[in-house]
Amino acid sequence: EAGVAQSPRYKIIEKRQSVAFWCNPISGHATLYWYQQILGQGPKLLIQFQNNGVVDDSQLPKDRFSAERLKGVDSTLKIQPAKLEDSAVYLCASSPRLGDDTGELFFGEGSRLTVL
Amino acid sequence: AQKITQTQPGMFVQEKEAVTLDCTYDTSDPSYGLFWYKQPSSGEMIFLIYQGSYDQQNATEGRYSLNFQKARKSANLVISASQLGDSAMYFCAMREYSSASKIIFGSGTRLSIRP
Repeated sequence: EAGVAQSPRYKIIEKRQSVAFWCNPISGHATLYWYQQILGQGPKLLIQFQNNGVVDDSQLPKDRFSAERLKGVDSTLKIQPAKLEDSAVYLCASSPRLGDDTGELFFGEGSRLTVL
Repeated sequence: AQKITQTQPGMFVQEKEAVTLDCTYDTSDPSYGLFWYKQPSSGEMIFLIYQGSYDQQNATEGRYSLNFQKARKSANLVISASQLGDSAMYFCAMREYSSASKIIFGSGTRLSIRP
């Protein structure tokens, strides 16, 4: 079974530029999550999708961050314009439909963003 | 409010010794799950063990066990016979099942195993 795929693995941009990250979850997983992990901290949930609907985006900085999951499969997270404090690893995770099991998350390898 | 606390930023342990990583949580939801993840220096998040709030027995997975004390709201991870490969960041996480069911993470504990 293929795992969660993310790209790009690494990205370096100047502040005020834009960047997009892509995630393809495990086949059949209904729930998709984007987490931000700043160096030395635990992952912080940015947005959670159930199929193509948003379940929680309370911690997404909506003035600069956006995310979509148009067909209920893969997802894109965009930052525009980027700030220095956005430097972090962006982790995508997926899980089967809520209620089907414990809700364990399956993570991708992450996309490391450096903003100069 | 949903909250996870890990009070040990870093720990050093001698190889082959057992180690306990602390985790306390707060929730008003009677139905919840607790998870532990390992994050090596390579960055991937590896699921280790799960405990449901209604489970009567503590969870075990190989060398990992979860010391679940519901009244104290603690879910400590115990690693027996530690190995050099256990050196990593360890995160405690919680999911509330009655609400929007997001998973939140603690700040993590960096475990270093000495040979």
